[in-house]
Order: sequence, then C-alpha cells, then structure tokens
Amino acid sequence: DVKVTQSSRYLVKRTGEKVFLECVQDMDHENMFWYRQDPGLGLRLIYFSYDVKMKEKGDIPEGYSVSREKKERFSLILESASTNQTSMYLCASSHYRDRASNEQFFGPGTRLTVL
Amino acid sequence: AQKVTQAQTEISVVEKEDVTLDCVYETRDTTYYLFWYKQPPSGELVFLIRRNSFDEQNEISGRYSWNFQKSTSSFNFTITASQVVDSAVYFCALSAGDKIIFGKGTRLHILP
Repeated sequence: DVKVTQSSRYLVKRTGEKVFLECVQDMDHENMFWYRQDPGLGLRLIYFSYDVKMKEKGDIPEGYSVSREKKERFSLILESASTNQTSMYLCASSHYRDRASNEQFFGPGTRLTVL
Repeated sequence: AQKVTQAQTEISVVEKEDVTLDCVYETRDTTYYLFWYKQPPSGELVFLIRRNSFDEQNEISGRYSWNFQKSTSSFNFTITASQVVDSAVYFCALSAGDKIIFGKGTRLHILP
C-alpha cells in the first residue's frame, strides 16, 4: 500500500515563526503536492514537484516555499507564519506516468494553528 | 479554464436511504479525467474512482455507482442503502494536464 506520512497531525505556532511541514512517501512516486483545505473552499494547490529539486507554483503559493532534496520527501515552508495561514495542510503523491490520469494518494493532514 | 462544481454543500439522509452527490465540470480539453475522493473524519482523502473522457460507461462497485454524462458535463455519485460509515466529505475532481482541480466537497451525514 502507498503510504504518505506527514510529520505532525496538529501544530500550533506563533505569528512570525518559520514553520516546516514535512511529507514522506514510500512508493517511489515522482510527483508530490501540497494543498491547503479550508471550510467552503475545498482543496487548493499550493506547490507541486515532479522531480527532485524541482518545484512548480500552484494556485496559492504566496507566503509559502517548498523543498525537495530527496525523491521521497517534500517539505512545505512558511517563512513567516501569519494567522491567515491557519488551515489543514494535505500532502499527496502520485506516479509520474501520465500525470493527468493518476490518482493521488494523500497523507492524514496537518492541522496548523497560527496564533 | 477548468472548474468543478459540487452544488450540494451538505446533505443529511437517514441510514438505508439512497443518496446522490452531484458533480458538474467545465473543461475545453477533449481528454480529461474525473475522480471521486472520500474524506472520512480521520482526514485522509481516499481515492474512489477515476473515469476518462472517452469512457461514458456507468460503473458500479458494491453500493457505490457513478453516472458519467458528457452531454451534461456531469459525473454524479450514488450511494445505495447508505450506512453510517458513509458519513464523510466527498470531493469530485477534474484533471486534464498537470494539476487536479477539486470541487469544494459535499459533506454527507448518514443518520442512524
């Protein structure tokens, strides 16, 4: 079974702190994604990556950056956390071949609260 | 531009009733894929089904069935004889390139 793990289920940080959210997948997937999920807004794509050291902006990249130094790990970084970044963050991965058709496998999510 | 609309924000039905979740999509691509995901209270989205734009056959998997109609740009999901364990948020999604576009989800409550 594909497994996508996220470093924390719940996280509480203060405004201005630098926050790292880690995601690891164990199925050798090339593609990895970060989403945020907010009530009434569904899932919105923040960043994605199709290969090591590669990154592409999603729909809402402002205030975030990412790092992919190893194939299995994709990190989301909040350089200076703000209260409007309080949200559920979901990581996902999928196989490279035919990106459009492949289902994504999701982690359990990290609920981040910024005070 | 691509878009997925799930007009039903929240639905409540009594256990054993049938329920249909609606999904309407927009795309100019001729080749695309449609998905349904389930998000139970634990939070992890679970893949349910994928359909490509060239395959309009309806699909049934146990109590779940999907109706894909290109003429109305819809990909509806029906749960027959609903159970409490079906309570979750359900997302419809569309992919025609590098990204998947998700609808805003329908929260389904199955009442015992």
